[in-house]
Amino acid sequence: QQPVQSPQAVILREGEDAVINCSSSKALYSVHWYRQKHGEAPVFLMILLKGGEQKGHEKISASFNEKKQQSSLYLTASQLSYSGTYFCGTERKAAGNKLTFGGGTRVLVKP
Amino acid sequence: DAGVTQSPTHLIKTRGQHVTLRCSPISGHKSVSWYQQVLGQGPQFIFQYYEKEERGRGNFPDRFSARQFPNYSSELNVNALLLGDSALYLCASSLRVEETQYFGPGTRLLVL
Repeated sequence: QQPVQSPQAVILREGEDAVINCSSSKALYSVHWYRQKHGEAPVFLMILLKGGEQKGHEKISASFNEKKQQSSLYLTASQLSYSGTYFCGTERKAAGNKLTFGGGTRVLVKP
Repeated sequence: DAGVTQSPTHLIKTRGQHVTLRCSPISGHKSVSWYQQVLGQGPQFIFQYYEKEERGRGNFPDRFSARQFPNYSSELNVNALLLGDSALYLCASSLRVEETQYFGPGTRLLVL
């Protein structure tokens, strides 16, 4: 079952913060975050493997709450280069470790 | 290091035709996965191969098939093309099945 991402879109000014959420109705093994710019392939940002784990990539960090089956991606002090569509991909052991992607969150960072 | 490569980059076909898409993984990666991405949506899993064996299959009709070769490159075949098959087809490679997947640039398929 496809994870649900929220919000669907967000517009930021440079330097502002944003949070993107990814929720699943099934128990998760891991959560993967990708960013895709228009006309390009998704680019890997980070993977979260353990419940409660937080990882960071420059000023982008994420958390994974295993109990709630939810992950959040934090864009801190956003830069113009953060613009794009962010996808979470979830893995469930029962599903054979394939990635199931959410519908994406469009982020636009304006000067 | 070279990333994941895919060919062709763009393809136009007509309904009923078949198509073969190719993918070369990152050197050393033994697992390849295929995804279909329709405009405005997230990638949808089609197949995963590891060491030339199918390890997973998504909810796609039998018109879709794939294989992995001894050099770990892979082909995705789609028969009897439908208008709804128009999409970006992404290939992703990883060291092993449970490792991080790195995507190629994709093949954009248009079915007329």
